[in-house]
Amino acid sequence: NAGVTQTPKFRILKIGQSMTLQCAQDMNHNYMYWYRQDPGMGLKLIYYSVGAGITDKGEVPNGYNVSRSTTEDFPLRLELAAPSQTSVYFCASSYGSGNTIYFGEGSWLTVV
Amino acid sequence: GESVGLHLPTLSVQEGDNSIINCAYSNSASDYFIWYKQESGKGPQFIIDIRSNMDKRQGQRVTVLLNKTVKHLSLQIAATQPGDSAVYFCAEIRPWSGNQFYFGTGTSLTVIP
Repeated sequence: NAGVTQTPKFRILKIGQSMTLQCAQDMNHNYMYWYRQDPGMGLKLIYYSVGAGITDKGEVPNGYNVSRSTTEDFPLRLELAAPSQTSVYFCASSYGSGNTIYFGEGSWLTVV
Repeated sequence: GESVGLHLPTLSVQEGDNSIINCAYSNSASDYFIWYKQESGKGPQFIIDIRSNMDKRQGQRVTVLLNKTVKHLSLQIAATQPGDSAVYFCAEIRPWSGNQFYFGTGTSLTVIP
């Protein structure tokens, strides 16, 4: 199993551009998550999904959108990128609520 | 311990010594805790977990202790090795928030050869 796979690893965006961070998991997990990690701060939940076709906002959803058309994939869309979205983004998955969360390797995004 | 801000708590230990990393949580209703290790440039990696009905859990070279009275969690690493150098942070699950995980800021461990 590859676990949780994220692409791209690094990306530089200009202010106002849009992009999609891709995430896929091959563990047949129901739950998937997107977190952002800023220097010296704990992981903050952006969006999560409890299954295909179901998504919900986390703690910091503004400026982002997600979709979950399949169990395996959970892309994160940034519309109109802003410097405040410069961060490291982690996709994660778990079997269910209250189960261990497994993380991808991260996507480093810089908005200039 | 855990803190909010730009500077992580740091811990430096000699190779071969034992390391203790601490974490405080705020609500006694939190019932599941995980320790993660995050190496530079990588994603968080599961180390060990513990549920609130336990006080102690042991893995390979790692032990997690849970003190529910003072809402404190610790990670003990035995015979620390250079490969243990990383940021360690705890995560708690909050049942009253839809079983979402909340993550501490972490402690940076440096192992001196």
